[in-house]
Amino acid sequence: DAKTTQPNSMESNEEEPVHLPCNHSTISGTDYIHWYRQLPSQGPEYVIHGLTSNVNNRMASLAIAEDRKSSTLILHRATLRDAAVYYCILRPTGANSKLTFGKGITLSVRP
Amino acid sequence: DSGVTQTPKHLITATGQRVTLRCSPRSGDLSVYWYQQSLDQGLQFLIHYYNGEERAKGNILERFSAQQFPDLHSELNLSSLELGDSALYFCASSEGDYLSYEQYFGPGTRLTVT
Repeated sequence: DAKTTQPNSMESNEEEPVHLPCNHSTISGTDYIHWYRQLPSQGPEYVIHGLTSNVNNRMASLAIAEDRKSSTLILHRATLRDAAVYYCILRPTGANSKLTFGKGITLSVRP
Repeated sequence: DSGVTQTPKHLITATGQRVTLRCSPRSGDLSVYWYQQSLDQGLQFLIHYYNGEERAKGNILERFSAQQFPDLHSELNLSSLELGDSALYFCASSEGDYLSYEQYFGPGTRLTVT
Protein backbone atom coordinates (compact mmCIF):
# COMPACT_ATOMS: atom_id res chain seq x y z
CA ASP A 1 0.00 0.00 0.00
CA ALA A 2 1.23 3.50 -0.82
CA LYS A 3 2.13 5.51 2.28
CA THR A 4 1.08 8.93 3.50
CA THR A 5 3.08 11.40 5.55
CA GLN A 6 1.44 13.87 7.92
CA PRO A 7 2.83 16.25 10.55
CA ASN A 8 2.42 14.94 14.08
CA SER A 9 0.34 17.84 15.33
CA MET A 10 -1.16 21.21 14.53
CA GLU A 11 -2.81 23.95 16.53
CA SER A 12 -5.49 26.33 15.40
CA ASN A 13 -7.76 28.99 16.83
CA GLU A 14 -11.48 28.57 17.06
CA GLU A 15 -13.44 29.98 14.13
CA GLU A 16 -10.35 30.20 11.93
CA PRO A 17 -9.68 28.01 8.88
CA VAL A 18 -7.39 25.02 9.27
CA HIS A 19 -5.31 23.42 6.54
CA LEU A 20 -4.14 19.88 7.29
CA PRO A 21 -1.48 18.68 4.83
CA CYS A 22 -0.77 15.15 3.63
CA ASN A 23 2.03 13.94 1.37
CA HIS A 24 1.59 10.79 -0.70
CA SER A 25 4.36 10.85 -3.29
CA THR A 26 3.98 7.16 -4.21
CA ILE A 27 0.25 7.37 -4.93
CA SER A 28 -0.93 5.32 -7.88
CA GLY A 29 -3.46 6.39 -10.46
CA THR A 30 -6.26 4.33 -8.95
CA ASP A 31 -5.74 5.31 -5.32
CA TYR A 32 -8.48 7.35 -3.71
CA ILE A 33 -7.50 9.83 -1.00
CA HIS A 34 -9.63 9.43 2.11
CA TRP A 35 -9.73 11.42 5.31
CA TYR A 36 -11.10 10.08 8.56
CA ARG A 37 -10.98 11.67 11.98
CA GLN A 38 -11.14 10.23 15.47
CA LEU A 39 -12.51 12.36 18.26
CA PRO A 40 -11.39 11.51 21.80
CA SER A 41 -12.92 8.28 23.09
CA GLN A 42 -14.78 7.61 19.85
CA GLY A 43 -14.43 5.47 16.77
CA PRO A 44 -13.08 6.95 13.53
CA GLU A 45 -15.46 9.00 11.45
CA TYR A 46 -15.45 9.47 7.68
CA VAL A 47 -14.72 13.06 6.63
CA ILE A 48 -14.23 13.21 2.87
CA HIS A 49 -12.58 11.49 -0.08
CA GLY A 50 -11.45 12.33 -3.59
CA LEU A 51 -9.58 11.04 -6.61
CA THR A 52 -8.37 13.95 -8.73
CA SER A 53 -10.68 16.94 -8.39
CA ASN A 54 -11.17 19.08 -5.32
CA VAL A 55 -14.16 18.02 -3.24
CA ASN A 56 -16.47 19.80 -0.83
CA ASN A 57 -18.98 18.46 1.63
CA ARG A 58 -20.72 19.74 4.74
CA MET A 59 -17.77 18.87 6.94
CA ALA A 60 -14.74 19.96 4.96
CA SER A 61 -13.03 20.54 1.63
CA LEU A 62 -10.32 18.43 0.07
CA ALA A 63 -7.77 20.10 -2.18
CA ILE A 64 -5.74 17.69 -4.30
CA ALA A 65 -2.51 18.77 -5.99
CA GLU A 66 -2.40 18.49 -9.76
CA ASP A 67 0.24 15.74 -9.61
CA ARG A 68 -1.73 14.05 -6.77
CA LYS A 69 1.39 13.72 -4.68
CA SER A 70 -0.14 15.79 -1.90
CA SER A 71 -3.50 16.90 -0.59
CA THR A 72 -4.90 19.27 2.01
CA LEU A 73 -7.94 18.87 4.19
CA ILE A 74 -9.53 22.24 4.85
CA LEU A 75 -11.82 22.93 7.78
CA HIS A 76 -13.33 26.32 6.98
CA ARG A 77 -14.09 27.41 10.55
CA ALA A 78 -12.58 25.28 13.26
CA THR A 79 -14.69 24.59 16.32
CA LEU A 80 -13.66 23.02 19.61
CA ARG A 81 -15.45 19.90 18.49
CA ASP A 82 -13.02 19.56 15.58
CA ALA A 83 -10.16 18.72 17.96
CA ALA A 84 -9.28 15.19 16.90
CA VAL A 85 -6.74 12.98 15.18
CA TYR A 86 -7.09 13.30 11.41
CA TYR A 87 -5.98 10.42 9.23
CA CYS A 88 -5.08 10.73 5.56
CA ILE A 89 -5.46 7.32 3.90
CA LEU A 90 -4.87 6.02 0.38
CA ARG A 91 -7.36 3.41 -0.66
CA PRO A 92 -6.88 1.41 -3.87
CA THR A 93 -9.95 0.80 -5.98
CA GLY A 94 -10.77 -2.77 -6.87
CA ALA A 95 -8.91 -4.12 -3.86
CA ASN A 96 -10.42 -5.26 -0.60
CA SER A 97 -11.60 -2.15 1.09
CA LYS A 98 -9.61 -2.17 4.30
CA LEU A 99 -8.40 1.15 5.64
CA THR A 100 -4.70 1.39 6.48
CA PHE A 101 -4.33 4.01 9.18
CA GLY A 102 -1.08 5.82 9.87
CA LYS A 103 -0.35 7.90 12.96
CA GLY A 104 -2.46 10.82 11.74
CA ILE A 105 -2.20 14.45 12.75
CA THR A 106 -3.49 15.63 16.10
CA LEU A 107 -5.40 18.88 15.75
CA SER A 108 -5.80 21.08 18.81
CA VAL A 109 -8.24 24.00 18.72
CA ARG A 110 -7.73 26.96 21.03
CA PRO A 111 -10.83 28.85 22.22
CA ASP B 1 -24.34 8.03 16.18
CA SER B 2 -23.00 5.93 13.28
CA GLY B 3 -25.68 3.27 13.54
CA VAL B 4 -23.10 0.57 14.29
CA THR B 5 -23.45 -1.00 17.70
CA GLN B 6 -20.85 -2.93 19.65
CA THR B 7 -21.19 -4.89 22.84
CA PRO B 8 -19.89 -4.93 25.46
CA LYS B 9 -18.41 -1.45 25.90
CA HIS B 10 -15.85 -2.64 28.39
CA LEU B 11 -14.45 -6.06 29.12
CA ILE B 12 -11.96 -7.01 31.80
CA THR B 13 -10.61 -10.53 31.81
CA ALA B 14 -7.58 -12.56 32.80
CA THR B 15 -4.75 -13.94 30.71
CA GLY B 16 -5.53 -17.25 29.08
CA GLN B 17 -9.25 -16.58 28.88
CA ARG B 18 -11.51 -16.34 25.83
CA VAL B 19 -13.91 -13.51 25.01
CA THR B 20 -16.42 -12.71 22.28
CA LEU B 21 -17.02 -9.20 20.97
CA ARG B 22 -20.21 -8.50 19.11
CA CYS B 23 -21.01 -6.04 16.34
CA SER B 24 -24.27 -5.10 14.65
CA PRO B 25 -23.77 -3.20 11.41
CA ARG B 26 -25.87 -0.32 10.15
CA SER B 27 -29.18 -1.41 8.67
CA GLY B 28 -28.60 -2.51 5.07
CA ASP B 29 -24.81 -2.72 5.29
CA LEU B 30 -23.41 -6.03 4.08
CA SER B 31 -19.73 -5.50 4.97
CA VAL B 32 -18.26 -5.71 8.44
CA TYR B 33 -14.65 -4.88 9.32
CA TRP B 34 -12.77 -5.37 12.56
CA TYR B 35 -9.90 -3.12 13.69
CA GLN B 36 -7.68 -3.14 16.75
CA GLN B 37 -6.32 0.06 18.28
CA SER B 38 -3.49 -0.14 20.76
CA LEU B 39 -1.16 2.59 22.00
CA ASP B 40 1.94 1.13 20.35
CA GLN B 41 0.46 -0.20 17.08
CA GLY B 42 -2.21 2.38 16.32
CA LEU B 43 -5.31 1.38 14.35
CA GLN B 44 -4.79 -1.94 12.58
CA PHE B 45 -7.13 -3.78 10.23
CA LEU B 46 -7.94 -7.31 11.37
CA ILE B 47 -10.52 -8.86 9.07
CA HIS B 48 -13.33 -8.08 6.60
CA TYR B 49 -16.55 -10.00 5.99
CA TYR B 50 -19.01 -9.37 3.22
CA ASN B 51 -22.45 -10.95 3.38
CA GLY B 52 -21.21 -13.81 5.50
CA GLU B 53 -18.01 -14.52 3.57
CA GLU B 54 -14.50 -13.65 4.65
CA ARG B 55 -13.02 -11.19 2.16
CA ALA B 56 -9.70 -10.10 3.57
CA LYS B 57 -7.42 -10.69 6.50
CA GLY B 58 -5.00 -8.25 7.96
CA ASN B 59 -2.81 -8.51 11.04
CA ILE B 60 -5.08 -10.98 12.80
CA LEU B 61 -3.47 -13.46 15.15
CA GLU B 62 -4.26 -17.17 14.85
CA ARG B 63 -5.75 -16.99 18.36
CA PHE B 64 -8.38 -14.61 16.98
CA SER B 65 -11.27 -15.59 14.75
CA ALA B 66 -14.38 -13.92 13.44
CA GLN B 67 -17.59 -14.73 11.67
CA GLN B 68 -20.55 -12.95 10.17
CA PHE B 69 -23.95 -14.50 10.69
CA PRO B 70 -26.96 -14.65 8.31
CA ASP B 71 -28.52 -11.65 10.06
CA LEU B 72 -25.23 -9.83 9.24
CA HIS B 73 -24.09 -9.26 12.78
CA SER B 74 -20.50 -10.27 13.44
CA GLU B 75 -18.53 -11.68 16.33
CA LEU B 76 -14.82 -11.47 17.01
CA ASN B 77 -13.50 -14.28 19.20
CA LEU B 78 -10.26 -13.76 21.07
CA SER B 79 -8.75 -16.76 22.85
CA SER B 80 -5.70 -17.56 25.00
CA LEU B 81 -5.62 -13.89 25.84
CA GLU B 82 -2.33 -12.19 26.59
CA LEU B 83 -1.60 -8.85 28.26
CA GLY B 84 -0.69 -7.44 24.85
CA ASP B 85 -4.21 -8.05 23.56
CA SER B 86 -5.46 -5.20 25.72
CA ALA B 87 -6.77 -2.67 23.24
CA LEU B 88 -9.79 -0.97 21.76
CA TYR B 89 -11.56 -3.13 19.21
CA PHE B 90 -13.63 -1.33 16.60
CA CYS B 91 -16.15 -2.72 14.21
CA ALA B 92 -17.05 -0.82 11.06
CA SER B 93 -19.64 -1.44 8.39
CA SER B 94 -20.20 -0.34 4.84
CA GLU B 95 -22.91 -0.81 2.28
CA GLY B 96 -21.04 -2.97 -0.18
CA ASP B 97 -17.67 -4.45 -0.81
CA TYR B 98 -14.80 -2.77 -2.64
CA LEU B 99 -17.00 -0.16 -4.23
CA SER B 100 -18.04 1.35 -0.91
CA TYR B 101 -16.41 4.64 -0.06
CA GLU B 102 -17.33 5.16 3.56
CA GLN B 103 -16.92 2.94 6.54
CA TYR B 104 -19.02 3.65 9.61
CA PHE B 105 -17.36 2.82 12.89
CA GLY B 106 -18.93 1.71 16.11
CA PRO B 107 -18.00 3.10 19.53
CA GLY B 108 -15.60 0.24 20.22
CA THR B 109 -15.09 -2.37 22.91
CA ARG B 110 -12.29 -1.69 25.36
CA LEU B 111 -10.63 -4.96 26.34
CA THR B 112 -8.38 -5.09 29.37
CA VAL B 113 -6.44 -8.28 30.01
CA THR B 114 -5.00 -8.58 33.51
